[in-house]
Amino acid sequence: GENVEQHPSTLSVQEGDSAVIKCTYSDSASNYFPWYKQELGKRPQLIIDIRSNVGEKKDQRIAVTLNKTAKHFSLHITETQPEDSAVYFCAANSPAFSTNFVFGPGTRLSVLP
Amino acid sequence: DAGVTQSPTHLIKTRGQQVTLRCSPKSGHDTVSWYQQALGQGPQFIFQYYEEEERQRGNFPDRFSGHQFPNYSSELNVNALLLGDSALYLCASSPKEYRGNQPQHFGDGTRLSIL
Repeated sequence: GENVEQHPSTLSVQEGDSAVIKCTYSDSASNYFPWYKQELGKRPQLIIDIRSNVGEKKDQRIAVTLNKTAKHFSLHITETQPEDSAVYFCAANSPAFSTNFVFGPGTRLSVLP
Repeated sequence: DAGVTQSPTHLIKTRGQQVTLRCSPKSGHDTVSWYQQALGQGPQFIFQYYEEEERQRGNFPDRFSGHQFPNYSSELNVNALLLGDSALYLCASSPKEYRGNQPQHFGDGTRLSIL
């Protein structure tokens, strides 16, 4: 089945700087990669997703890139703000095995004022 | 338009007891997935229900069982509770004809504590 790794586990940046979180996956058949943001005590919320037929997707300050050959994808947040502080999870589907997602272990992002 | 709702929000049980958690999917969604999120970890897939049947199951023992009702709402049952079952239990719903390449929408979860 699918295995998703995520780095770093914690990340601290100064307000206004950029943050990058990287994930790798193992199943070459995976074709959908969502990113979720989870604030303390709240539900995971989808912030951006990408399908395997594109290499990059952008939504305002957030972008995701996908390298299918290397089987890795990354989340980029520019001009970080204190409200970006949260735990971020990457995920990948595993269409050969299930219609569900395998999540990475998460990255705790702290944006320092 | 109501999102995914779960009840109760918090629950405290002792070892050996049984628990039932409930989930109502987002309007227009018919597929419900359950995840277990231990502290400091990512969600782990338990099982998925579609058309009132368990469609897929993750690596969880038979103590974990579920049900889906005709109105698409779902229950998660856990028997013979262990200390290690303490976690946040998340329900996620997906739209009709879900094929695994669309977002899942999560509820706020039920925080289960085992004493």
